[in-house]
Amino acid sequence: GAGVSQSPSNKVTEKGKDVELRCDPISGHTALYWYRQSLGQGLEFLIYFQGNSAPDKSGLPSDRFSAERTGGSVSTLTIQRTQQEDSAVYLCASSLAFQSEQYFGPGTRLTVT
Amino acid sequence: ELKVEQNPLFLSMQEGKNYTIYCNYSTTSDRLYWYRQDPGKSLESLFVLLSNGAVKQEGRLMASLDTKARLSTLHITAAVHDLSATYFCAVAPYSGGGADGLTFGKGTHLIIQP
Repeated sequence: GAGVSQSPSNKVTEKGKDVELRCDPISGHTALYWYRQSLGQGLEFLIYFQGNSAPDKSGLPSDRFSAERTGGSVSTLTIQRTQQEDSAVYLCASSLAFQSEQYFGPGTRLTVT
Repeated sequence: ELKVEQNPLFLSMQEGKNYTIYCNYSTTSDRLYWYRQDPGKSLESLFVLLSNGAVKQEGRLMASLDTKARLSTLHITAAVHDLSATYFCAVAPYSGGGADGLTFGKGTHLIIQP
């Protein structure tokens, strides 16, 4: 079946602009996760959703980052006023239920110039 | 705070040899995952280890978990070039904890030479 999909696959933006990253989880998966991967920081957990709810937002790097999920499906990660340190690959994962195996999407490579 | 340490971070080995990658973690957990990542690609799930003493094998790879020692190993038997990749271990917080995000090790970049 279809896996986790993310769009865009690549995004180049100017410093100070806002960006939206999209994640479509595997159909029927109730839990959704956002991570980012950078050379300096490795793989970092950002936020997760159980249904449409994000119980813990403490992993988001700053208040410029926000995420939402609607209809228990698609999620968007928004970064406002992008900075160069936001450059990374943003990975989305989904799982059938809370605390079960996570399947990762192909990622969005964000470059802030 | 959960911390995950992998070693080695870089490993170059010859085809046909055996080797082990180690993953130590700092606090109680009951779920550990191994992922593979090829250059420019996303993460591919290899193993899910859910209990003390769990051992799983797939082809030339075998993973084990010792929750008392807070240690997991990924053993490679008779390595072949196709296994060249970066391998990550990832640990979930103990069940019942609030967040469910995985904490990843820094990854082991494995190169297998003919």
